[in-house]
Amino acid sequence: EDKVVQSPLSLVVHEGDTVTLNCSYEVTNFRSLLWYKQEKKAPTFLFMLTSSGIEKKSGRLSSILDKKELFSILNITATQTGDSAVYLCAVYSGAGSYQLTFGKGTKLSVIP
Amino acid sequence: NAGVMQNPRHLVRRRGQEARLRCSPMKGHSHVYWYRQLPEEGLKFMVYLQKENIIDESGMPKERFSAEFPKEGPSILRIQQVVRGDSAAYFCASSLNRDRVYEQYFGPGTRLTVT
Repeated sequence: EDKVVQSPLSLVVHEGDTVTLNCSYEVTNFRSLLWYKQEKKAPTFLFMLTSSGIEKKSGRLSSILDKKELFSILNITATQTGDSAVYLCAVYSGAGSYQLTFGKGTKLSVIP
Repeated sequence: NAGVMQNPRHLVRRRGQEARLRCSPMKGHSHVYWYRQLPEEGLKFMVYLQKENIIDESGMPKERFSAEFPKEGPSILRIQQVVRGDSAAYFCASSLNRDRVYEQYFGPGTRLTVT
């Protein structure tokens, strides 16, 4: 069974801090890893990573994948209160499966 | 450009009643996925549907749960004879086609509370 583990489960930081969220996975036939941000409603797509070592960047957020060690990190620099959310990591394994396997998420709270 | 729409947003049912959750995919999308999120848990895949077809229902409980995506109208997730353990947030996602399974867009969810 595919497995995705995120750490830490929750994190409290002050505005301006930099945070690193972790996601490790065990899946058969790995195809891609995705990061989502979930506030009070729908998870919104952040990044999709397919290749090792290539950093994806969007503003203050960046992410990278290590397919050898089977993990990904999501970095957020200069955090703002609007970054407070649950960050979900999901893996797509393809090979006849059409499902995303999600981790439990990391709940990030940014305090002023 | 409307995103994925779900209704109702909140649904309260007594034990033994039926719950019907609706999902309209993004415009142009013909593939729908249902996920369940229990408190403090990640999203768990339930079922994947294409118009008039169930493609993968490996995550659906064997009893009381069913899903459909008719040719016309929204996708429906139906839970019969609800129990307290069914209380959760149910999210729907859609993708353009089978080749873009990894690119799923989520709706706001329906929060089901069973009393």
